[in-house]
Amino acid sequence: QSALTQPASVSGSPGQSITIPCTGTSGDVGSNNYVSWYQQHPGEAPKLMIYDVSSRPSGISNRFSGSKSGNTASLTISGLRTEDEADYYCNSYTTTSTWVFGGGTKLTVL
Amino acid sequence: EVQLLESGGGLVQPGGSLRLSCASSGFTFVSYGMIWVRQAPGKGLEWVSAITGGGGRTYYADSVKGRFTISRDNSKNTLYLQMNSLRAEDTAMYYCAKDLLGWPFYFGSWGQGTLVTVSS
Repeated sequence: QSALTQPASVSGSPGQSITIPCTGTSGDVGSNNYVSWYQQHPGEAPKLMIYDVSSRPSGISNRFSGSKSGNTASLTISGLRTEDEADYYCNSYTTTSTWVFGGGTKLTVL
Repeated sequence: EVQLLESGGGLVQPGGSLRLSCASSGFTFVSYGMIWVRQAPGKGLEWVSAITGGGGRTYYADSVKGRFTISRDNSKNTLYLQMNSLRAEDTAMYYCAKDLLGWPFYFGSWGQGTLVTVSS
């Protein structure tokens, strides 16, 4: 159950778009379309932003989008806002009926 | 409105035990899978365990298998995590989460967490 690989940090300016990659293996990301993304602000509980690779829960802005190719999933945030500054975690269901998170990416909005 | 309230955290010595609870309201508890996720201080999220709505199936991370037991009391709308043989590396904020919509589980709603500290 090795963690999925994410960059430690990414940054962007307000209004720009950024993409956070999440690389796994054929045992997790590459084996299904059960990838999700979570946003966590400091001192708060995480919040589900994307599920089923690219679906948004009710109330989540369409500025957030997800995609997947092979063993790598990606979260794209368009029209960056200062409130998007947070930690982002990917997650995948695995072939061994477990779940695995990525190490997390700190997004800085400059 | 979904509400999840964790309790039971605290300071425990290595090798000790603790039982966490997650009191739930605002939804039909028996209809949803429930999950525990933890976060060590300053670190990332780690999935710990999950249980189906009826309680018939349970799942564990390798790091806790054989030491932790997840359970639920659907008559009390409460999720539990029994933690035995605790180690320093189990020190973390423990969050309970409600599945979003079915199988496999997505962590759709979260509580605010309860802090577990394992130290002598």
